[in-house]
Amino acid sequence: GQSLEQPSEVTAVEGAIVQINCTYQTSGFYGLSWYQQHDGGAPTFLSYNGLDGLEETGRFSSFLSRSDSYGYLLLQELQMKDSASYFCAVFNNNDMRFGAGTRLTVKP
Amino acid sequence: EAQVTQNPRYLITVTGKKLTVTCSQNMNHEYMSWYRQDPGLGLRQIYYSMNVEVTDKGDVPEGYKVSRKEKRNFPLILESPSPNQTSLYFCASSGTPKTYEQYFGPGTRLTVT
Repeated sequence: GQSLEQPSEVTAVEGAIVQINCTYQTSGFYGLSWYQQHDGGAPTFLSYNGLDGLEETGRFSSFLSRSDSYGYLLLQELQMKDSASYFCAVFNNNDMRFGAGTRLTVKP
Repeated sequence: EAQVTQNPRYLITVTGKKLTVTCSQNMNHEYMSWYRQDPGLGLRQIYYSMNVEVTDKGDVPEGYKVSRKEKRNFPLILESPSPNQTSLYFCASSGTPKTYEQYFGPGTRLTVT
């Protein structure tokens, strides 16, 4: 079957660095995306990895290893506004599959 | 403003009463999709459409119908809603080649009693 696994919850303090891991089992894999969703809001796109390696966008970076079916989202210099749920998602064969989400709580 | 709109935002209905949730995007995107979000399950894709008149089943299509007669619109139809379809629904769209970069509507919270 197809599945994505990510931790359900992560807690960190303001200014720290946190890594959210995602492992996947899927066929026809094209790439790994990350989305952020604040409570009561809609998911918003953060990043995409189509190739192995690190992609950096400001304080956020995302990494992919196709051979390990593994990726992560790295959030640096955490701010209170980063408290949200983060979803990894796989785009394959024209459909999208999301992980169950990781709820990040940033504490002062 | 580039956006995806959904209507209604909130809906309470009864079992068996047909309903339609509309979705429209103004970005000329080819790809559109419907998801449902339930606690602990993340987002699950219901149906998607690669372009006009082209639709396909996602992960959880049972009990839902869609149509794509125009590029901008992608309505979700529940012919006979049941309580297990109580959920938060999101419509999303994306353009090629960045189909993985999806823009989501604000969501529709549906309660079926």
